[in-house]
Amino acid sequence: GAVVSQHPSWVICKSGTSVKIECRSLDFQATTMFWYRQFPKQSLMLMATSNEGSKATYEQGVEKDKFLINHASLTLSTLTVTSAHPEDSSFYICSARGGGLGREGEQFFGPGTRLTVL
Amino acid sequence: AQSVTQLGSHVSVSEGALVLLRCNYSSSVPPYLFWYVQYPNQGLQLLLKYTTGATLVKGINGFEAEFKKSETSFHLTKPSAHMSDAAEYFCAVFETGNQFYFGTGTSLTVIP
Repeated sequence: GAVVSQHPSWVICKSGTSVKIECRSLDFQATTMFWYRQFPKQSLMLMATSNEGSKATYEQGVEKDKFLINHASLTLSTLTVTSAHPEDSSFYICSARGGGLGREGEQFFGPGTRLTVL
Repeated sequence: AQSVTQLGSHVSVSEGALVLLRCNYSSSVPPYLFWYVQYPNQGLQLLLKYTTGATLVKGINGFEAEFKKSETSFHLTKPSAHMSDAAEYFCAVFETGNQFYFGTGTSLTVIP
């Protein structure tokens, strides 16, 4: 099956710093990647959709200057939380689709990144 | 817009008992349907999916789900719960050309 990795799996940072999270498709080319945010005991909230080589499309209410997404290659997308604050603490999950996979809409999910902002 | 409803945010069953997690969707066009499981501090793992064909879909870990168009449902079942089944379960719907829609999730507790 298709494998998606995320790095780091857990990060703690001080308020005001920026944090970069990487999402990689390990065995397929991800033409589309998605970034989700999940609060405790809640469902996943789609933040943005990114297609390789183009700007990400952000969902309503998501600050694009706050959450910078780069999808520079077919196997890597990054999410940078700029000037992080405690309210940005959350579980961030990426998913990917492409490479002939997921023709029926299936997305392949990364293991998630726990961000804690002090 | 599509909506996905999971009845019961928390379900508790005894070990060995039937597991039934409910999912209803709102699409008028049969979508693609998925069930995912999430263990604490982990990503989502696909349990099973329905795209076309047989309406009873078998997945991993003994789970199965049946697509019922007339009821717009895709309930997840397992005949006998195991302690390792305790997790969060998400139903999801995808319409071609549209985005993925997740239900709010159901937390399954298995009582020994």
